[in-house]
Amino acid sequence: GQQLNQSPQSMFIQEGEDVSMNCTSSSIFNTWLWYKQEPGEGPVLLIALYKAGELTSNGRLTAQFGITRKDSFLNISASIPSDVGIYFCAGHNTNAGKSTFGDGTTLTVKP
Amino acid sequence: GAVVSQHPSWVICKSGTSVKIECRSLDFQATTMFWYRQFPKQSLMLMATSNEGSKATYEQGVEKDKFLINHASLTLSTLTVTSAHPEDSSFYICSASPTSGYSTDTQYFGPGTRLTVL
Repeated sequence: GQQLNQSPQSMFIQEGEDVSMNCTSSSIFNTWLWYKQEPGEGPVLLIALYKAGELTSNGRLTAQFGITRKDSFLNISASIPSDVGIYFCAGHNTNAGKSTFGDGTTLTVKP
Repeated sequence: GAVVSQHPSWVICKSGTSVKIECRSLDFQATTMFWYRQFPKQSLMLMATSNEGSKATYEQGVEKDKFLINHASLTLSTLTVTSAHPEDSSFYICSASPTSGYSTDTQYFGPGTRLTVL
């Protein structure tokens, strides 16, 4: 089946720094989604991307749908301690009717 | 908008008993709901896709007689773990995709259910 490579696996950064993470796939997706999950909670949708080349922002978060439809990145600017969590990318294939999730990027922000 | 609830949020049960978990889309209709299982520090593992009014589609390796899924309405899907054993202990999360509109490819997740089988 389809697989996503999400990197980096983990990040340890200082408060105020910018963060970048990405996902790549050998397959094309119709939609790219980025979620954040905190301990003991379900993932929360951060940004949804529906068109190749689309660049979307949500506050300090910016994500892009790669032009090849096989990749996406998420940037977080000026990180703060509450950004701590696991960030998952997901690619959705409309024909398959389901999403494929990356393994997650664990973000730690030092005050 | 796009709120999904799960009940219960946590449950402890004895080995051999069955446990039912409910997933509801509160402010939208969802033809399709998904059930995931997540082990500590791991990604989401799709167990099955639940379609309203039809049988669920299970992923390879997931026992359909063990994990019974019912999607009786456009806002409710249930997962029943039958004859639960300690190895079934996990974090179960559901998600729902809106039936219509721009975001039909988007999944909105519930808060999860922590199952502990003694």
